[in-house]
Amino acid sequence: EAQVTQNPRYLITVTGKKLTVTCSQNMNHEYMSWYRQDPGLGLRQIYYSMNVEVTDKGDVPEGYKVSRKEKRNFPLILESPSPNQTSLYFCASSFSTVYNEQFFGPGTRLTVL
Amino acid sequence: KNQVEQSPQSLIILEGKNCTLQCNYTVSPFSNLRWYKQDTGRGPVSLTIMTFSENTKSNGRYTATLDADTKQSSLHITASQLSDSASYICVVSSNDYKLSFGAGTTVTVRA
Repeated sequence: EAQVTQNPRYLITVTGKKLTVTCSQNMNHEYMSWYRQDPGLGLRQIYYSMNVEVTDKGDVPEGYKVSRKEKRNFPLILESPSPNQTSLYFCASSFSTVYNEQFFGPGTRLTVL
Repeated sequence: KNQVEQSPQSLIILEGKNCTLQCNYTVSPFSNLRWYKQDTGRGPVSLTIMTFSENTKSNGRYTATLDADTKQSSLHITASQLSDSASYICVVSSNDYKLSFGAGTTVTVRA
């Protein structure tokens, strides 16, 4: 089944404790992206990657890191999480065409205490 | 700054009725406009994608329209069902990779 998977789905952590949220897709998509969703603000792009070893900042990259060593994986790293990073996170992927449909993962709900 | 504004913020309709959601954008240059449906606690799912040359596109009971001159789009839901209860998000692309998201319209369908 074609899908985007994220792990963990739920995470409660404390300020300053490094964490990684994994994202994997099995559709051979070149493009992958991370978003956060907060009430009243909609989805905001954190980072995106157009291909292996190519990443770029989105609208809200502060406090986050990403890597794209393999085509299928795009982990999101929070080196020192803070409470303002409590949010619902989505990973998405698509082919690199103009008319491309993005497929979203199921989401990761992160709480930073 | 590229912006996407959706209205209303939320609406409640009775099962079987129709409704229309609005999306106004200032994104430029325009590449395409998408409508997504997001069920509570789940990832968004694509409903339609339209380029500037397309002014109507349907997906079952969902019909999206686009007026690239006035930078407006609408999503019409026909004969609503309880399963249509969700958030509907308008997304505008200015190129292959930069997307601007609206805050969404929450639709509640009541029996």
